[in-house]
Amino acid sequence: DVKVTQSSRYLVKRTGEKVFLECVQDMDHENMFWYRQDPGLGLRLIYFSYDVKMKEKGDIPEGYSVSREKKERFSLILESASTNQTSMYLCASSAPDRGYQPQHFGDGTRLSIL
Amino acid sequence: KQEVTQIPAALSVPEGENLVLNCSFTDSAIYNLQWFRQDPGKGLTSLLLIQSSQREQTSGRLNASLDKSSGRSTLYIAASQPGDSATYLCAGVMDSNYQLIWGAGTKLIIKP
Repeated sequence: DVKVTQSSRYLVKRTGEKVFLECVQDMDHENMFWYRQDPGLGLRLIYFSYDVKMKEKGDIPEGYSVSREKKERFSLILESASTNQTSMYLCASSAPDRGYQPQHFGDGTRLSIL
Repeated sequence: KQEVTQIPAALSVPEGENLVLNCSFTDSAIYNLQWFRQDPGKGLTSLLLIQSSQREQTSGRLNASLDKSSGRSTLYIAASQPGDSATYLCAGVMDSNYQLIWGAGTKLIIKP
């Protein structure tokens, strides 16, 4: 079974801090994704990566950056955390496919910015 | 712009009933469609994936169909159980840009 592991289930940080969310997958997948999920807004894509050191902006990249130095690890960085970045963050991975599917998800990180 | 809509937003049914969850999309140029389940506070679990060339997929008590011409997909759950209670999301990949377009989900409650 594919396993996608997010480093923290719950995280509390303060406004202005630099925050790192880590995601590791064990299936040698080329594609990795970061989403945030908010009530009433559904899932929104922040960034995705289709190879090491490659990244593409999703729908809401502002205030975020990503890093993919190794194939199995995809990090989401909040450069200067703000309260409107309080959310559930979900990481996903998938094998190479024209449609980037199926995606396998981690359990999520619930991030609170105070 | 492609939109994916799930109606109703919430559904409560007694245990044992068969039920259908709906997912509609505005652009018929869909590459594939996937159904996911999400338990409270958890990530998403992939249930079924239907390619555009297929009309349906089955896994156990679940059956998903895809009708591109009408812009609809349905998830049929047979003999529902309390353990089926969760939020169900559909997501489509469009031919044009290969990115997932997500529905907002249907929250399903199965009453014992």
